[in-house]
Amino acid sequence: GAGVSQSPRYKVAKRGQDVALRCDPISGHVSLFWYQQALGQGPEFLTYFQNEAQLDKSGLPSDRFFAERPEGSVSTLKIQRTQQEDSAVYLCASSAARTGVAYEQYFGPGTRLTVT
Amino acid sequence: KQEVTQIPAALSVPEGENLVLNCSFTDSAIYNLQWFRQDPGKGLTSLLLIQSSQREQTSGRLNASLDKSSGRSTLYIAASQPGDSATYLCAVNGWGTNAGKSTFGDGTTLTVKP
Repeated sequence: GAGVSQSPRYKVAKRGQDVALRCDPISGHVSLFWYQQALGQGPEFLTYFQNEAQLDKSGLPSDRFFAERPEGSVSTLKIQRTQQEDSAVYLCASSAARTGVAYEQYFGPGTRLTVT
Repeated sequence: KQEVTQIPAALSVPEGENLVLNCSFTDSAIYNLQWFRQDPGKGLTSLLLIQSSQREQTSGRLNASLDKSSGRSTLYIAASQPGDSATYLCAVNGWGTNAGKSTFGDGTTLTVKP
């Protein structure tokens, strides 16, 4: 079956613009995660959904970052008024995990955001 | 707060050599540990997942071990090939409310020379 897909794969934004990044998880996976990966570093947790519920958003770096998953499937990560420090690869992962239990995560190819 | 460290940061070996990548974590209360491979400009590919109750997992030329009490995991790659060149990341998952948060190391970048 299809894996996790993300779009766009590359995004260039001028400082101050808003951007929206999309993630399509593996069909049937109830958990969805967003990570931010800076160059040369490991991914950093941003937020986590169980179906449509956002259970943890402690990793979102500022209130300019907002994520949603209204129907428990596709998710969108929105960044308002982008800044240069937002430049990174944004990774989405999905898992069959149920609440409180960590299962294997499957990652998408990522969206590389460059803010100029 | 969980912290994950991977040593070395980079490793270059000749083809055919056996090698070990190291991962250490500060909080031993983990649910599982996952090893990933990342090729340049690509997402993460899962290699092995070890539950906290397990000591090791094997897949082909890869063997991952876990010593939860000492906060360490190793990834052993046998008979390395140029196609193994990539960055290898380990990630730990906690329990309960921390189950959704993977904490990653910064990775080991492996180069296998023909």
